[in-house]
Amino acid sequence: RKEVEQDPGPFNVPEGATVAFNCTYSNSASQSFFWYRQDCRKEPKLLMSVYSSGNEDGRFTAQLNRASQYISLLIRDSKLSDSATYLCVVNGEGTALIFGKGTTLSVSS
Amino acid sequence: DTGVSQDPRHKITKRGQNVTFRCDPISEHNRLYWYRQTLGQGPEFLTYFQNEAQLEKSRLLSDRFSAERPKGSFSTLEIQRTEQGDSAMYLCASSSPLSGGIMNTEAFFGQGTRLTVV
Repeated sequence: RKEVEQDPGPFNVPEGATVAFNCTYSNSASQSFFWYRQDCRKEPKLLMSVYSSGNEDGRFTAQLNRASQYISLLIRDSKLSDSATYLCVVNGEGTALIFGKGTTLSVSS
Repeated sequence: DTGVSQDPRHKITKRGQNVTFRCDPISEHNRLYWYRQTLGQGPEFLTYFQNEAQLEKSRLLSDRFSAERPKGSFSTLEIQRTEQGDSAMYLCASSSPLSGGIMNTEAFFGQGTRLTVV
């Protein structure tokens, strides 16, 4: 099992749609979880951290299920500017940030 | 600019040559990471440092790859005897230590060094 696995993409959705990305991780000792966003030919940037209780930032909602070792990202009311690759990232104590392969989202008008 | 800085931004080299990349992290960050990214893939973890200590290097792709951070500030990544398969974007990131009971540590990335081996 890969350390961090994500839904295969690409996701092609119209503006205004709701889209969900899933991610699973293999290390049950992992303690920190993130979603990063990467635009074409740019460096990854933090989108949001993922907390055990779940958290929301505007149109974005992240959920963590430690028992299932599963992380999700929900984007509501998609905008053209949301088109990017979304990277699931897991950090275990004493280890570095491990990235998934990423899921590409394309929002069209 | 107080972000993560990488140099050079682009490097074209002939197969068999050695190359060295430099990363200057955000000044107060004590963790520094190196990643490799190829087209259509997420960043692949190579190694990381906490201050000058290299905490994990088992994921360096081969013994041709080495990294240093001698004074706990900037870091270098060297690839010896480059091969065409080494062509990729090499990304550096830095983060601050855990504090205040907050376990999450955001890593900030530089713009990367794009290596082309011909």
